[in-house]
Formats: sequence, structure tokens, C-alpha cells
Amino acid sequence: NAGVTQTPKFRVLKTGQSMTLLCAQDMNHEYMYWYRQDPGMGLRLIHYSVGEGTTAKGEVPDGYNVSRLKKQNFLLGLESAAPSQTSVYFCASSYSTDTQYFGPGTRLTVL
Amino acid sequence: AQSVTQPDIHITVSEGASLELRCNYSYGATPYLFWYVQSPGQGLQLLLKYFSGDTLVQGIKGFEAEFKRSQSSFNLRKPSVHWSDAAEYFCAVGLGQGGKLIFGQGTELSVKP
Repeated sequence: NAGVTQTPKFRVLKTGQSMTLLCAQDMNHEYMYWYRQDPGMGLRLIHYSVGEGTTAKGEVPDGYNVSRLKKQNFLLGLESAAPSQTSVYFCASSYSTDTQYFGPGTRLTVL
Repeated sequence: AQSVTQPDIHITVSEGASLELRCNYSYGATPYLFWYVQSPGQGLQLLLKYFSGDTLVQGIKGFEAEFKRSQSSFNLRKPSVHWSDAAEYFCAVGLGQGGKLIFGQGTELSVKP
């Protein structure tokens, strides 16, 4: 039982490049979330999903897209990376409105 | 609008001393409340949560928190801090729909010998 895993752990991009972050959970949770963490700002919700095939915008969705083709996976895409997207990205999953379980994070730097 | 405020950005306590981390929220309905801890370079781990019932909730690692509706607060306490408690602590309120959480800015705890 691995919980929530994230791939990759670190990544450096140049401005304008694209990439996809993968989140996988093995707890059969319906709900999944993508957050970004920036110093002094806590965690802010980017997008979330309440089930396979559904996604919704969170607090800071601009510049990101997501897909939930399989229940266990939640992908976060950056189509054209900008320096403002330098951050630590966390994925989480939950069963309904209960406790969210977090992955270890992905540290992204955009030059 | 819903919000969570953690007034203290950084707190330093001596090992063995008591600890209280403050959290205030703004939310129209009865909130779901959480405290998470993040060790350096790690993800977040749940310490405790309040959904309903007894307003004093016990969590892991000897932590507890008290929900006070009249003060819109959910402060985290520990009677005796250990060096391993040094970490960043986040308070969060659950919005219900979609299971979304709003996090406070976090409080970094340092523990001195």
C-alpha cells in the first residue's frame, strides 16, 4: 500500500516548455486534488476531481490543466511553463469530505 | 469569503515547554477543521480533525485542539514539546462540497534545547 505517489520528484523547465505531473493513489479514493505551495501562502488548490472523468477548478487554476481518465490517477499539465509556476506541487486524495492524504511533492523550477 | 488565519508565522519554544498554535477561520456554516504537520521536504500528515461532537479533539503525537465556535478558533496544543516536533503546521477548514480545503499560511515551529 503505497498511498499517494507523485512523479517526478524534481524538475527544471525553461520558460515555454510543457510537462505533466503524475499523481497515483491506491486507496480507491474518489476525490483527488492538486495544490501548489509557496512560501508564506500555505497550500492553494489548483484543480480537483470528485470522480473518474470529472474535474473542476480550484483557487488558482490559470496556466494548468488536469485529467482524470482513471480513478487512481490524476494528471496536472503545464502547457507553457512560466517562472511564476515555480513551486512545490502536492497531490492529495480523499474519501469524500474526510481526511486528505498527501503525496511527497514535486519541486518544479521554471527558468 | 472563507478564510483561515494563522497569526504566528514562526514560533520558537524550548524542549519540554508547552505549545499553543493559533488558528482562526471565517466560514458561514459549521466547519470541518483540520491540523496538518509538514516536516522539511515531506508531504503533509494529518494530526487531528474536528467534524462534530466533543469540541476537544485528540490527535497523534500527543497533540490536541479545541474548537471554540464563539471565537471562530481551533487552536492546537501540546503540553510538552519534543525536538522532533520541529516542523511547519497548517490549519485548514473543509468546505464540504468537493471535499475542498482552505489552508492557513502555516506556522513554523522551532524547538530549542
